[in-house]
Amino acid sequence: GAVVSQHPSWVICKSGTSVKIECRSLDFQATTMFWYRQFPKQSLMLMATSNEGSKATYEQGVEKDKFLINHASLTLSTLTVTSAHPEDSSFYICSVGGWSGNTIYFGEGSWLTVV
Amino acid sequence: KQEVTQIPAALSVPEGENLVLNCSFTDSAIYNLQWFRQDPGKGLTSLLLIQSSQREQTSGRLNASLDKSSGRSTLYIAASQPGDSATYLCAVGNTGTASKLTFGTGTRLQVTL
Repeated sequence: GAVVSQHPSWVICKSGTSVKIECRSLDFQATTMFWYRQFPKQSLMLMATSNEGSKATYEQGVEKDKFLINHASLTLSTLTVTSAHPEDSSFYICSVGGWSGNTIYFGEGSWLTVV
Repeated sequence: KQEVTQIPAALSVPEGENLVLNCSFTDSAIYNLQWFRQDPGKGLTSLLLIQSSQREQTSGRLNASLDKSSGRSTLYIAASQPGDSATYLCAVGNTGTASKLTFGTGTRLQVTL
């Protein structure tokens, strides 16, 4: 069964609105989760590290005020794309695990289309 | 900064053929390397995980090797099937940040009947 659940799978929103994507760790508690995005025909790029109970750590070039990350519990991290624009249309996916070099599990991913 | 490259970018083979996908990385100070499968419109499925101290891992028809010193990994798929058609991604967990992956560009595989 799934280890990580992500919702929604598909979302279409109007330009200027905000969209929230949820990532749930089903099998274990996760103090850290990771958010990636993948533009068409490109590889996945790490956006940020979500830290339970504290601020997220963003990768260079990722706007923290635009991509709000909340990790309020050990099983849930949310990514909110604020004031979305068409160029934010992408595949967003979260991951859990990897401690001590163990397997990393990914959610099913979320396709965002901003029109 | 770690960079991961996969060759070829796309590959089409007839059913039954054995094939090799290549992955290279620039910084050999890795913690582990993981191969994933991505189906169109779907998330990622982990196929094989190789720790930096290991040379290879096998699962069914899949065999992944790792040569850390030369910065290379290969994924060998035996007796390919149409159901193997997908994009294959290799990803490196770097020393100190093993949970944060650097992904390769992917190889899009098509296995034809």
